[in-house]
Amino acid sequence: DAGITQSPRHKVTETGTPVTLRCHQTENHRYMYWYRQDPGHGLRLIHYSYGVKDTDKGEVSDGYSVSRSKTEDFLLTLESATSSQTSVYFCAISGGLAGGTYNEQFFGPGTRLTVL
Amino acid sequence: KQEVTQIPAALSVPEGENLVLNCSFTDSAIYNLQWFRQDPGKGLTSLLLIQSSQREQTSGRLNASLDKSSGRSTLYIAASQPGDSATYLCAVEGATSGTYKYIFGTGTRLKVLA
Repeated sequence: DAGITQSPRHKVTETGTPVTLRCHQTENHRYMYWYRQDPGHGLRLIHYSYGVKDTDKGEVSDGYSVSRSKTEDFLLTLESATSSQTSVYFCAISGGLAGGTYNEQFFGPGTRLTVL
Repeated sequence: KQEVTQIPAALSVPEGENLVLNCSFTDSAIYNLQWFRQDPGKGLTSLLLIQSSQREQTSGRLNASLDKSSGRSTLYIAASQPGDSATYLCAVEGATSGTYKYIFGTGTRLKVLA
């Protein structure tokens, strides 16, 4: 939609392995977010970034780390995956003038992660 | 803590009906409220964003209103179509969550019957 891609789109991994998900944007938006979506919980914020190398925790950040070395890329790492991290992960962006107001959020297509 | 509620969780209507989806929030100190649509297995698509100074926004058959004092927003869909079937979510950005951080409701799953 707003020039946001996520990779991989699907991943199956085993408990205890590290996993990195990538979000790439071509919109030059300042803010980037990682959410997880689970039945009964809706969308919950994991981490977000307000600029290159500037990140902060969301409400469900335990077990996750992030990095943003370039404006266009935001990485989410599960240091040691657990079954409770099985979820659909969405990247989002905001803070750009294209497509609407500055605060409008746009979402990527999602990554379905299964931890066995 | 800001809480965002969407009731009902699911709704079925016949094609052509006008309908209203509800979004309630507990802290009225909001900056923006955004409505999204999510199709099964897909990401969220932005529908409308209402700034705190606005009372409503319109896009085609959609009209979203905001009443901060009562902690409520409604999304009105005119002349519903089967293609409107999806889950609709609202998200609030405000003083409680912080600027550029959003709290989401759990959504209303809409089915429009042909």
